[in-house]
Amino acid sequence: SQKIEQNSEALNIQEGKTATLTCNYTNYSPAYLQWYRQDPGRGPVFLLLIRENEKEKRKERLKVTFDTTLKQSLFHITASQPADSATYLCAPMDTGRRALTFGSGTRLQVQP
Amino acid sequence: DSGVTQTPKHLITATGQRVTLRCSPRSGDLSVYWYQQSLDQGLQFLIQYYNGEERAKGNILERFSAQQFPDLHSELNLSSLELGDSALYFCASSTGLAGGPSYEQYFGPGTRLTVT
Repeated sequence: SQKIEQNSEALNIQEGKTATLTCNYTNYSPAYLQWYRQDPGRGPVFLLLIRENEKEKRKERLKVTFDTTLKQSLFHITASQPADSATYLCAPMDTGRRALTFGSGTRLQVQP
Repeated sequence: DSGVTQTPKHLITATGQRVTLRCSPRSGDLSVYWYQQSLDQGLQFLIQYYNGEERAKGNILERFSAQQFPDLHSELNLSSLELGDSALYFCASSTGLAGGPSYEQYFGPGTRLTVT
């Protein structure tokens, strides 16, 4: 069955450092992969979308990579700030299923 | 503000009851999605509508149903409620269909349902 794995343990880093979050998926071939940010009790917020033919995508301090051979996406936040503290959700999308499947998310805590 | 609105924000009801959650998508978005997020659980996709038609179904219980109206707003109906149905229910919208060029989803603030 299709499976998405994100680090279940919280990631704690110091302000100014680069945070790297991992998303691994198995048993399907997503045409796209999206990353969302979710704050407690609030709806997820779209951050970045990367297509299967793109290796890397950047937006301001955010960078996403997509390795279809390894079946993995990495999400980087450079020069992290306490305001970046949130849960980050990976969502690979299989065109055939016509639906996003969300990982359980990784909680990032940036210490001042 | 994502532009997606959901009502009500909170709902408390008893087991066995029926409730209706409402969602208005962003202006211009034709696709509406419903998700359930239980305590400590990930987002579970329930169902998608595109321009009034059901387009994709996830792990939606038979006790749950949804529809999208001509003005594109959507309603999620939950019946014969059980304690385990207590969760945050999110609606999201997007411009196009899955796989299209404008597929990022915009989520509403959610409806917190508590079944007692």
